[in-house]
Amino acid sequence: LAKTTQPISMDSYEGQEVNITCSHNNIATNDYITWYQQFPSQGPRFIIQGYKTKVTNEVASLFIPADRKSSTLSLPRVSLSDTAVYYCLVGDMNTNAGKSTFGDGTTLTVKP
Amino acid sequence: DVKVTQSSRYLVKRTGEKVFLECVQDMDHENMFWYRQDPGLGLRLIYFSYDVKMKEKGDIPEGYSVSREKKERFSLILESASTNQTSMYLCASSTPHRRSYEQYFGPGTRLTVT
Repeated sequence: LAKTTQPISMDSYEGQEVNITCSHNNIATNDYITWYQQFPSQGPRFIIQGYKTKVTNEVASLFIPADRKSSTLSLPRVSLSDTAVYYCLVGDMNTNAGKSTFGDGTTLTVKP
Repeated sequence: DVKVTQSSRYLVKRTGEKVFLECVQDMDHENMFWYRQDPGLGLRLIYFSYDVKMKEKGDIPEGYSVSREKKERFSLILESASTNQTSMYLCASSTPHRRSYEQYFGPGTRLTVT
């Protein structure tokens, strides 16, 4: 499974757009990129997944450049409740049956 | 609504005890996982099961075993608990019938071994 690198922490203010970048230089052809969110004392929760270009859902957008060696999770207009740890995962969903290696994640702190 | 439940939220055990952590999912998922989470180390995969009676080692299987006798239940066993197994344990499930293999997590069990 490809190793990922994310910033350890980020700070933001309410109402701002937050972009968290993840590096995955050894991503394989069949690998997908998945992001999870985790609040204290809870299990992680799936946010978004993509393979290339851009994916958007009601919560976030995921931008993946053509070389796929990095990806950026974009959270529009964050609120205090978006304070959480965000994990980027890379893996082949077909051969690894969804087995994922979670890195250390990025702790996002949203301030008033 | 999707649900993964774990038998205990908090557990305190003594060194050398045999510990069972139970996980049940009601989504008929094929895949089930056990992770441990420690400060500064993120989530680390202990064991993974893709079918009843099937299991695969994850990144840190030493000191643990698992059992999956029924599709909905995945148990993590600490044969002889040690203090370095004090941690938050998280169970998850997923299905290959959803392309994303999205994992659904339980609330976690905080285990303290004294």
